[in-house]
Amino acid sequence: AQSVSQHNHHVILSEAASLELGCNYSYGGTVNLFWYVQYPGQHLQLLLKYFSGDPLVKGIKGFEAEFIKSKFSFNLRKPSVQWSDTAEYFCAVSITSGTYKYIFGTGTRLKVLA
Amino acid sequence: KAGVTQTPRYLIKTRGQQVTLSCSPISGHRSVSWYQQTPGQGLQFLFEYFSETQRNKGNFPGRFSGRQFSNSRSEMNVSTLELGDSALYLCASSFGTANTEAFFGQGTRLTVV
Repeated sequence: AQSVSQHNHHVILSEAASLELGCNYSYGGTVNLFWYVQYPGQHLQLLLKYFSGDPLVKGIKGFEAEFIKSKFSFNLRKPSVQWSDTAEYFCAVSITSGTYKYIFGTGTRLKVLA
Repeated sequence: KAGVTQTPRYLIKTRGQQVTLSCSPISGHRSVSWYQQTPGQGLQFLFEYFSETQRNKGNFPGRFSGRQFSNSRSEMNVSTLELGDSALYLCASSFGTANTEAFFGQGTRLTVV
């Protein structure tokens, strides 16, 4: 069955530290990839997305992610985190294998210390 | 444009009761998906409706059901509530194709006592 794995469940960083959150999926066909963010008390919103083309995609607030097809990965990165990046981050994959599916990972809680 | 609207925002129910949650998608969106969010479990997919038809279903018991109306609004029903059903229930709307993003509502916080 298709699945999305986020290896880090909780991450704590100091401001200005670099961030990389891992995301791997299990599906051999064509995928579309997303990262969503949920700030405390707010609804989930899109951070960035990959459909095709350049595997390095840039999103809002200085985030970027790289699609590595051979590794089935779509890791999220930010060179220097801020306190306001404290949130929960979800990786998601959408596929069309006979029927449309949208699969989320279990999320990573990021806490940035001021 | 208006976002995804979920009502009510908060609910407290007793074990054994049933509950109905509502979701109004963004205008023009034909797909509505429902998720259960709990600490440690992340987002668990319940089901997805597209043009009034259930297109996908997650691994939840039959106590969880849903439907979609001709105007794309969707309802989710949970019967015979259990304490473990306490969670944030999220609705997401989209155009329903793989290369489109999902837009989420604020969720309904259900507490079962």
